[in-house]
Amino acid sequence: AQSVTQLDSQVPVFEEAPVELRCNYSSSVSVYLFWYVQYPNQGLQLLLKYLSGSTLVKGINGFEAEFNKSQTSFHLRKPSVHISDTAEYFCAVSGRNFNKFYFGSGTKLNVKP
Amino acid sequence: EAGVTQFPSHSVIEKGQTVTLRCDPISGHDNLYWYRRVMGKEIKFLLHFVKESKQDESGMPNNRFLAERTGGTYSTLKVQPAELEDSGVYFCASSQLFAGRAYEQYFGPGTRLTVT
Repeated sequence: AQSVTQLDSQVPVFEEAPVELRCNYSSSVSVYLFWYVQYPNQGLQLLLKYLSGSTLVKGINGFEAEFNKSQTSFHLRKPSVHISDTAEYFCAVSGRNFNKFYFGSGTKLNVKP
Repeated sequence: EAGVTQFPSHSVIEKGQTVTLRCDPISGHDNLYWYRRVMGKEIKFLLHFVKESKQDESGMPNNRFLAERTGGTYSTLKVQPAELEDSGVYFCASSQLFAGRAYEQYFGPGTRLTVT
């Protein structure tokens, strides 16, 4: 079985500051890794994913994440956040069959002016 | 291309009543999944359909929950009778099935269920 831990339930940050949202996972098998974002009153939108290859993955809206196998982490970063990035972010893992995603409990990013 | 749609967006019912949630997947997606997020906790897997068949229902909490996908198109999730702990956001997702392999899941906006 897999599990995902997002240690920070809320992250306040000022506009144009850098941000890192942490995600650690545990799994006995190889996994795929994902970050989803949920804007207010909207569904989950895929930000980026790691399937294989380069461990640095670039996604939409200037976000990127780095897969670290030894530390079983997949932290999400953005060098300069905007007010519009205020949302809840979910880290998820799945097995290589893409079925049954396991999600973290979410991190609410609050970007202040 | 239309995304995954869910109906209703919100539902408020009393304990003991019945509620049916509907999910329309992206056209052509044979895989359909239900997930639930309770009280700000993690989003948890409920079950997975491949076409009209239940592939994995290991996440269904109890027999008060019944999921169907007649004809392999839209799916319904019925809760009967509803209990207070069933409150939460129910997400539906769908994905393509090609050569026996599933691909990334696309999520709907969710249905927020409140049981009072």
